[in-house]
Amino acid sequence: AQKVTQAQTEISVVEKEDVTLDCVYETRDTTYYLFWYKQPPSGELVFLIRRNSFDEQNEISGRYSWNFQKSTSSFNFTITASQVVDSAVYFCALSEANFGNEKLTFGTGTRLTIIP
Amino acid sequence: DSGVTQTPKHLITATGQRVTLRCSPRSGDLSVYWYQQSLDQGLQFLIQYYNGEERAKGNILERFSAQQFPDLHSELNLSSLELGDSALYFCASSASRPGLAGRLVNEQFFGPGTRLTVL
Repeated sequence: AQKVTQAQTEISVVEKEDVTLDCVYETRDTTYYLFWYKQPPSGELVFLIRRNSFDEQNEISGRYSWNFQKSTSSFNFTITASQVVDSAVYFCALSEANFGNEKLTFGTGTRLTIIP
Repeated sequence: DSGVTQTPKHLITATGQRVTLRCSPRSGDLSVYWYQQSLDQGLQFLIQYYNGEERAKGNILERFSAQQFPDLHSELNLSSLELGDSALYFCASSASRPGLAGRLVNEQFFGPGTRLTVL
């Protein structure tokens, strides 16, 4: 069975600080996908990134970066120079890579508060 | 805007009632997924449809059912509602399709959700 653990329930940082959100996953599949979603106070789920298990390259997109390490089953998310608009709940998710098994298994989320 | 639409945005009803939630996927997406977000269970997968057929089932109660119509919109029917069914129900769509194992296009884009309150 698949499992995603986000041990940090809540994090608060002062604006402009960097912050890292942790995600650890469990799966028996050799091929899988990892995701991060953002849920702002308005409630919608916003897709941020998808990574394939066969591609361990880290990725940077503006102030966002992701560190995927298969050896430790982790897919951590860093926000650099945080802004108040980054305040949201962030979910890490995992899915298999086979058609018909793409359901997302979500972690419990990390509530990030950026203090102005 | 993800391109996925859900109606209604809010729904308030009483225990024992039945409601229908509607979802229209992004243009061209054949797969539709339903998820439930509740305080005690978190975000949970309920069911997936692909081109009108059920493809996968998660923790969906027997009182809940879904279908996907020829125009690809989907409906989630919740009956004999209980207080514990109060939750945010999300629909998502993706371009995933068979024949792409290992290279599955599985970016699921979520609708804005329907907030169901059972009183």
